[in-house]
Amino acid sequence: DAKTTQPPSMDCAEGRAANLPCNHSTISGNEYVYWYRQIHSQGPQYIIHGLKNNETNEMASLIITEDRKSSTLILPHATLRDTAVYYCIVRVYPGTYKYIFGTGTRLKVLA
Amino acid sequence: DAGVIQSPRHEVTEMGQEVTLRCKPISGHNSLFWYRQTMMRGLELLIYFNNNVPIDDSGMPEDRFSAKMPNASFSTLKIQPSEPRDSAVYFCASTLGTSGNLVVETQYFGPGTRLLVL
Repeated sequence: DAKTTQPPSMDCAEGRAANLPCNHSTISGNEYVYWYRQIHSQGPQYIIHGLKNNETNEMASLIITEDRKSSTLILPHATLRDTAVYYCIVRVYPGTYKYIFGTGTRLKVLA
Repeated sequence: DAGVIQSPRHEVTEMGQEVTLRCKPISGHNSLFWYRQTMMRGLELLIYFNNNVPIDDSGMPEDRFSAKMPNASFSTLKIQPSEPRDSAVYFCASTLGTSGNLVVETQYFGPGTRLLVL
């Protein structure tokens, strides 16, 4: 599975959009991008995933560049409850269901 | 839906003792994962099962660790003997796997077991 690179930390004002970047320059054609988050002391929570088209659900939007070497997770109106570590993962689909979590981005939403 | 259930939620034990962590996956899910999380190493996959069969145990640190899944609704992770460096949060996760022709791979995590080995 391809490796990912994320900034270690970011701040965002409450109510503003949080844009979390992820680089995955070695991604291959059949690898999906997954995003999870981990709120303090809880288990990771699925947010969204995509292959090459932009995706949106009730939690977030995922923007994947045309060359698929990077992506951005967008939380449109961040709240204090969105403070968490966000993990970007790339993996083969379908595959062995095996994730490799990196160090993630620690997002702090400020009041 | 009760989600993934783990027990105990907290465990404090002394070095050399046997520790058994338990997990009940979401009903109907056919893949189960054990992860370990520490400050130094982050979130690491230890082992995962598909249809109760261990598929990949390359993340199991050493022979002191063993995992079983005797049936679709129960799994254990055992550490014997335990050492202080095993102190971590251990998460269990499950995924539906396949449903008809659809591959559903979202992993659902339990609340974790916080293990402290003194």
